[in-house]
Amino acid sequence: AQSVAQPEDQVNVAEGNPLTVKCTYSVSGNPYLFWYVQYPNRGLQFLLKYITGDNLVKGSYGFEAEFNKSQTSFHLKKPSALVSDSALYFCAVRVISYSSASKIIFGSGTRLSIRP
Amino acid sequence: AAGVIQSPRHLIKEKRETATLKCYPIPRHDTVYWYQQGPGQDPQFLISFYEKMQSDKGSIPDRFSAQQFSDYHSELNMSSLELGDSALYFCASSPTVSGANVLTFGAGSRLTVL
Repeated sequence: AQSVAQPEDQVNVAEGNPLTVKCTYSVSGNPYLFWYVQYPNRGLQFLLKYITGDNLVKGSYGFEAEFNKSQTSFHLKKPSALVSDSALYFCAVRVISYSSASKIIFGSGTRLSIRP
Repeated sequence: AAGVIQSPRHLIKEKRETATLKCYPIPRHDTVYWYQQGPGQDPQFLISFYEKMQSDKGSIPDRFSAQQFSDYHSELNMSSLELGDSALYFCASSPTVSGANVLTFGAGSRLTVL
């Protein structure tokens, strides 16, 4: 079955330090991978995606993610964390069903907390 | 820029009642997705529509139904509501059903069942 896993429920980082939010995937074929962020009582906002090409993908708000095929990972990173980055982060993968329709499925989410 | 509009933003219902949520996708987006997010949970895919036809189905209860109309807006109908249906319901839209198109999400409709 195609899935994504986020092994950490919570990540705590001091402001100004680099942050990493981990994601591993299990898909058949080439993966289409996404990161979304959710602020309290808000919808999910797209951060970045990997389709093909460079393994390092840059996205919104200074975030980037590194695709690693051998480790089946797509970790989210930022060189210097801000308090405003505190939110819930979801890794997601596009899934193709028998009907060739596609949807994305989400990991369990990682709560990122940046302390001043 | 126009976003995905969901209404109502908040809805309170009693058990066994019926609720209808509406979603207006971004103009020229022909695919709509519905997700359910319980408290502290990740969003779970319910159902999607492409060009007014159901394109995929996830963990949507039989008590729920949905459709996409000619103007591409979609409605999620929930009947015989149960306490466990209390959740945040998200609608998302994308330009096409396939490919790596990004889903743009609405702000969600929070349903509380008492």
